[in-house]
Amino acid sequence: DTEVTQTPKHLVMGMTNKKSLKCEQHMGHRAMYWYKQKAKKPPELMFVYSYEKLSINESVPSRFSPECPNSSLLNLHLHALQPEDSALYLCASSQEEGDQPQHFGDGTRLSIL
Amino acid sequence: LAKTTQPISMDSYEGQEVNITCSHNNIATNDYITWYQQFPSQGPRFIIQGYKTKVTNEVASLFIPADRKSSTLSLPRVSLSDTAVYYCLVGDIGGATNKLIFGTGTLLAVQP
Repeated sequence: DTEVTQTPKHLVMGMTNKKSLKCEQHMGHRAMYWYKQKAKKPPELMFVYSYEKLSINESVPSRFSPECPNSSLLNLHLHALQPEDSALYLCASSQEEGDQPQHFGDGTRLSIL
Repeated sequence: LAKTTQPISMDSYEGQEVNITCSHNNIATNDYITWYQQFPSQGPRFIIQGYKTKVTNEVASLFIPADRKSSTLSLPRVSLSDTAVYYCLVGDIGGATNKLIFGTGTLLAVQP
């Protein structure tokens, strides 16, 4: 069992849909991360939140919109995605930004039709 | 940035010891070495972390030579369930997250 919970586990959406991915942790971590992982590739960092404020945006297209409502929750809002955005989206947390180890959820498998 | 290089894949048999080496020639003084394991359709899981010499925990050992330009993850007596991708990361703990970049990883296939 992972200490970082991601929902949903699977998501299929059309290119015109709006959906959100959710991530939750109750370890008291102050840093949370979104990663994107394509098949047979390593995870790639997308966003970092530190103390509920966006710290790093790795030049991610605006069709991905992160949100950190409180220290335990992290959302990723999706709108007008492209087929190439199909991937496993991983959430992670750590005590402070940059700390290792990071604790990962099991991801949301996203498919864009 | 300290780039890491690992073998793309390795094969082993159950019960054998497996050693996966990671090269990081440009490792900085403040950098630590961290290894993660990832099963298909799961997030990466922390295995072990070290700075120098040898670190051992209940699942693995990490050997780091004096020059720290490489490190070796050692998995004793692997089983089929150890089949996974293993990532070596190098970065300054508590430093800029941008420095923590996943390399290509090593796909370990354990056969009966």
